[in-house]
Amino acid sequence: ETGVTQSPTHLIKTRGQQVTLRCSSQSGHNTVSWYQQALGQGPQFIFQYYREEENGRGNFPPRFSGLQFPNYSSELNVNALELDDSALYLCASSTHRAPSYNEQFFGPGTRLTVL
Amino acid sequence: SQQGEEDPQALSIQEGENATMNCSYKTSINNLQWYRQNSGRGLVHLILIRSNEREKHSGRLRVTLDTSKKSSSLLITASRAADTASYFCATDSGNTPLVFGKGTRLSVIA
Repeated sequence: ETGVTQSPTHLIKTRGQQVTLRCSSQSGHNTVSWYQQALGQGPQFIFQYYREEENGRGNFPPRFSGLQFPNYSSELNVNALELDDSALYLCASSTHRAPSYNEQFFGPGTRLTVL
Repeated sequence: SQQGEEDPQALSIQEGENATMNCSYKTSINNLQWYRQNSGRGLVHLILIRSNEREKHSGRLRVTLDTSKKSSSLLITASRAADTASYFCATDSGNTPLVFGKGTRLSVIA
């Protein structure tokens, strides 16, 4: 088990609603990355935060937004939920930000179901 | 888009046998990493190999990297039932984010 925690574990929402997912990074890590993993697929990069600033973004629409706090914990917000947003959302913390990559420490994920 | 592609998609072996998974990618990379995921939970880092390295070992794991063929392999020796999981390769190159493949589902039968 890593020291990365995520909440909630599971979440059920309806189309059009908004959701906030939370992540506490491992002690000493200043970089948090968020990934979306659809069933049967590999994780897809959403964005990365380094010291409270966005440091790179994947191919996701603006309704996916994030924050990183001074203690390096992070939030992922998704507005106007769509059925295709149903997935496992993973956060990962590390000591290096892009473009220098090292080991990513993943949390257990939040399973989001959109009905 | 997914840069890495693991092969095979699924693999079933007996306990004690070796398991080999392959990863192919399309563009030049800086690093390649292998991760394990149990039953839709968080991923666990296994090994990172840099583009100027050819082979790395960690316990029962052996990773090779062939940059001329744009491919990597993960060998798990003397497999155990606890090795049952999905295995993903992930690559990074320059300013691109970490890109994961679709994974290989390994089943180790006791």
